[in-house]
Amino acid sequence: EVQLVESGGGLVQPGGSLRLSCAASGFTVSSNYMSWVRQAPGKGLEWVSVIYGGGTTYYADSVKGRFTISRDNSKNTLYLQMNSLRVEDTAVYYCARAPLGWPTNWGQGTRVTVSS
Amino acid sequence: QLVLTQSPSASASLGASVKLTCTLSSGHNNYAIAWHQQRPEKGPRFLMKLNHDGSHTKGDGIPDRFSGSSSGAERYLTISSLQSEDEADYYCLTWGTGSWLFGGGTKLTVL
Repeated sequence: EVQLVESGGGLVQPGGSLRLSCAASGFTVSSNYMSWVRQAPGKGLEWVSVIYGGGTTYYADSVKGRFTISRDNSKNTLYLQMNSLRVEDTAVYYCARAPLGWPTNWGQGTRVTVSS
Repeated sequence: QLVLTQSPSASASLGASVKLTCTLSSGHNNYAIAWHQQRPEKGPRFLMKLNHDGSHTKGDGIPDRFSGSSSGAERYLTISSLQSEDEADYYCLTWGTGSWLFGGGTKLTVL
């Protein structure tokens, strides 16, 4: 059974950093497209970043240069390093597996609050 | 510029059917989309991938009550025999090299 479990969210001040983790089971992270998607309070879903099986990464313009997506194949875990956090980065962050390009499995999310 | 447009809200009665629409912006009629359901306080759930010709592939365990169809730039999600558990937000999504794009979502109320 495919499972994705996010962790690492919390309260951080503007300008701070957080690293989110997404522990995967039931499949191999490095063989799939893996993405992070976020949802600000009361808003819709917003794509954040993707890492392809070969390691190529892409980012939404709103986070480019501040966020870094990566994975640890030995731990079968996806990460999102978030630096220079802004109030507008406040959201629930979801990881998703996209074996053929579109997401077919989602985690339950981890909440990030950026506030002073 | 690719944009996915969804009505903000829809409603239908218990046991009835409802058809939700996702509209692709001009010039993108051939794009496939994926429909996702998000129940309150839950993560999204993949429902189906829907191609421009109306063919679709559903996710594991998605009931037959959920079906998809296409016409031109419109992509539809039809839910029949509505149940209270179908009350949720529904998002369409498309994808390309290096990015995903979501529609704004439709909040479905089951009366």
